[in-house]
Amino acid sequence: DTEVTQTPKHLVMGMTNKKSLKCEQHMGHRAMYWYKQKAKKPPELMFVYSYEKLSINESVPSRFSPECPNSSLLNLHLHALQPEDSALYLCASSYRELNTGELFFGEGSRLTVL
Amino acid sequence: AQKVTQAQTEISVVEKEDVTLDCVYETRDTTYYLFWYKQPPSGELVFLIRRNSFDEQNEISGRYSWNFQKSTSSFNFTITASQVVDSAVYFCALSEAGRIGYGNKLVFGAGTILRVKS
Repeated sequence: DTEVTQTPKHLVMGMTNKKSLKCEQHMGHRAMYWYKQKAKKPPELMFVYSYEKLSINESVPSRFSPECPNSSLLNLHLHALQPEDSALYLCASSYRELNTGELFFGEGSRLTVL
Repeated sequence: AQKVTQAQTEISVVEKEDVTLDCVYETRDTTYYLFWYKQPPSGELVFLIRRNSFDEQNEISGRYSWNFQKSTSSFNFTITASQVVDSAVYFCALSEAGRIGYGNKLVFGAGTILRVKS
């Protein structure tokens, strides 16, 4: 079983809805990530949080709003999304201190925007 | 810029065959890490191996083995005696050493779909 837990596993929303994706890890990792994966494509980095502070934003549209309330939780708030935002959203975490690059991934939240 | 190329889009083999997945990378960094991840239909990316740029020793783990060659910028992955459970998408990835406190950017190749038929 993965040690990174993502909820919900599936989400369907309209373009005017506001929803959130949640990610949780209890491995003591201090870096957390959001990746977006379209069908038959590799994951693409969206955001990186290090010690609860946003360290990397890969020019993601403002309709995606990340939040890191504490070292174990990572949220992705969604608002006014477009159908092309439908994808698998993967959360990951890593040991910041070791800086070896290994990421631990959750199973993802599959988002469908109607 | 960093780049990872997995030229094989899809490979189909019959169970018990050996199969090699190719990975070629580009980076200007002298310190970097290479990875292989497996993504089964469930969606989770499963870590298989990490190699740093200073360690060119090949590694074997059960039916899996990896061949890292800096001279050709390749990091190939071989599955011996493949099984149906090996069917998945396999991603090769590259990570720069990263700046302390800023996390790591993991750059993925396009992935190779492996289908193992019984």
